[in-house]
Amino acid sequence: AQKITQTQPGMFVQEKEAVTLDCTYDTSDPSYGLFWYKQPSSGEMIFLIYQGSYDQQNATEGRYSLNFQKARKSANLVISASQLGDSAMYFCAMRENNDYKLSFGAGTTVTVRA
Amino acid sequence: GAGVSQSPSNKVTEKGKDVELRCDPISGHTALYWYRQSLGQGLEFLIYFQGNSAPDKSGLPSDRFSAERTGGSVSTLTIQRTQQEDSAVYLCASSSPGVQPNQPQHFGDGTRLSIL
Repeated sequence: AQKITQTQPGMFVQEKEAVTLDCTYDTSDPSYGLFWYKQPSSGEMIFLIYQGSYDQQNATEGRYSLNFQKARKSANLVISASQLGDSAMYFCAMRENNDYKLSFGAGTTVTVRA
Repeated sequence: GAGVSQSPSNKVTEKGKDVELRCDPISGHTALYWYRQSLGQGLEFLIYFQGNSAPDKSGLPSDRFSAERTGGSVSTLTIQRTQQEDSAVYLCASSSPGVQPNQPQHFGDGTRLSIL
């Protein structure tokens, strides 16, 4: 079964606007971590933000914030004040406590328009 | 450098040849991972190393794939008798010691492998 689902293959956003990228996950492990990575066209995977399953508050890192809704098993990434350099593929990933590897979603391509 | 280093960045080879991909993790990172990313898709886990041992090889797609790690540092992923379906970007990641879920994995730039 798919552990991470990203339903938006591609999104367009106007510069300076906010964009929300959806991510839902599936696990029976009570302890897990959720990650978002950015992959520009150059190919490198850049770690953006982390949310732990026991964290009481939503994670924030600069212009990135994570809307964590545990009961819904969703961990949406919000990018505020979009910049042209935000154009990239974004991946949601999960690591369960009894595992080592990251399970990735299929990704969402974000294109920021001037 | 401070990041994960992979070489070569690009590799083009003929079907049936063997290839070796190299990964140099961040200094001090004992955990090392190999993933594969096919065109336009997410990442597929291949193998995990803790130190020099590989407790999880579950993602290796066939016995043509093997990996080793020496000195708790550099890792080599070897693909024997390459097939066209092996064409992909191979990404290496490392993380600091510990198995807590909050350890982010830091990725290299990948090796883009093309099998003709």
